Amino acid sequence: EVQLVESGGGLVQPGGSLRLSCAASGFTFSSHAMSWVRQAPGQGLDWVSTISAGGSSIDYADSVKGRLTISRDNSKNTLYLQMNSLRAEDTAVYYCAKASDSSGKNYFDYWGQGTLVTVSS
Amino acid sequence: DIQMTQSPSSVSASVGDRVTITCRASQVISSWLAWYQQKPGKAPNLLIYAASRLQSGVPSRFSGSGSGTDFTLTISSLQPEDFATYYCQQANSFPRTFGQGTKVEIE
Repeated sequence: EVQLVESGGGLVQPGGSLRLSCAASGFTFSSHAMSWVRQAPGQGLDWVSTISAGGSSIDYADSVKGRLTISRDNSKNTLYLQMNSLRAEDTAVYYCAKASDSSGKNYFDYWGQGTLVTVSS
Repeated sequence: DIQMTQSPSSVSASVGDRVTITCRASQVISSWLAWYQQKPGKAPNLLIYAASRLQSGVPSRFSGSGSGTDFTLTISSLQPEDFATYYCQQANSFPRTFGQGTKVEIE
């Protein structure tokens, strides 16, 4: 059974930092691209970043470029999101999501339960 | 960036009704489109991928169609567990983009 478990969310002041983790199990983690998708309270889904299976290819939404950094450790089956220079508009539930296949055009076929990040003074 | 526009934003329907949701892309995306269902407080769930392929385990009352820029999600006979918000998403290029969502409510 595929499981994705996020952790690391919480309350942080504007300008602060946070590191999210996503522990994966039930599939060959090193064979799948992984992504972070966020959802602000009462709002829709907002793609944040995707990292390829081996970690060599990364894409970011313009709104987070230079502030948020995606990475992975295939030896630990874990995905990360380092969040720096946080803003109020980064407040959201952050989901990690597994890519459906190894092609460059894939979908999010499994999602974690999400972790809430609140940026407020 | 490719903009995804869903309509309607919300729809009121009864159990047994046929419900159709549309999604329009601002550029041609071939069939690189997915549909997700999200219930309150839960993560999204993949229903349809490649515009018309049913994800494993998803009931056959859900179907998708379309290609190019215009796509449709149809629920043939609405069930109580189908009341939720539905999102389309394009997988043609980065940045990945979602529609704004369609809330299916009980009439």
